[in-house]
Amino acid sequence: AQRVTQPEKLLSVFKGAPVELKCNYSYSGSPELFWYVQYSRQRLQLLLRHISRESIKGFTADLNKGETSFHLKKPFAQEEDSAMYYCALSVGTGGFKTIFGAGTRLFVKA
Amino acid sequence: DVKVTQSSRYLVKRTGEKVFLECVQDMDHENMFWYRQDPGLGLRLIYFSYDVKMKEKGDIPEGYSVSREKKERFSLILESASTNQTSMYLCASSPFRTGNYGYTFGSGTRLTVV
Repeated sequence: AQRVTQPEKLLSVFKGAPVELKCNYSYSGSPELFWYVQYSRQRLQLLLRHISRESIKGFTADLNKGETSFHLKKPFAQEEDSAMYYCALSVGTGGFKTIFGAGTRLFVKA
Repeated sequence: DVKVTQSSRYLVKRTGEKVFLECVQDMDHENMFWYRQDPGLGLRLIYFSYDVKMKEKGDIPEGYSVSREKKERFSLILESASTNQTSMYLCASSPFRTGNYGYTFGSGTRLTVV
């Protein structure tokens, strides 16, 4: 079965500390993975895609097929990073179906 | 700059009412989606459409139907609203391409059924 697991509902770190939001997936095919972010009172938006290997707002995520993980990392957290983060797995051509994890709320303390 | 527009930000409806949620996108995307967002459950796919008049069930279609008469508009219909359909509803769109570039989301409609 296709599944995305984000084990932490809430993650609280101090400003300047490293942050890692965990994501594990279950999928027998070749995965296409994404991180989405939702800031307070804003719409859900795409943060990054694994296939582009880009770094957005200092965040990176590496696909580890052996561990079936796609953890989101940032070396130095900022207060403005406080938000809800969703890991997502797309299956099918053109993203016909995307499965989202339950989300992790990141709280960065001053 | 708004690209996916949901007609209502907040709605309050009574049990048993027929409810229409509207979504319009101006990016000429082929694919459109309806999700509901609930705390602790993340986003769950209700229905999606990859072309005009085409629709596919998602993971939780029961109690819902959809309509896509024009490429830019995708409507979610609650045939007879129930309290367990109180939720945040998100519309999204994406282009049909061999590469997957992710979704563009609307700002959501928070529906309360009383």
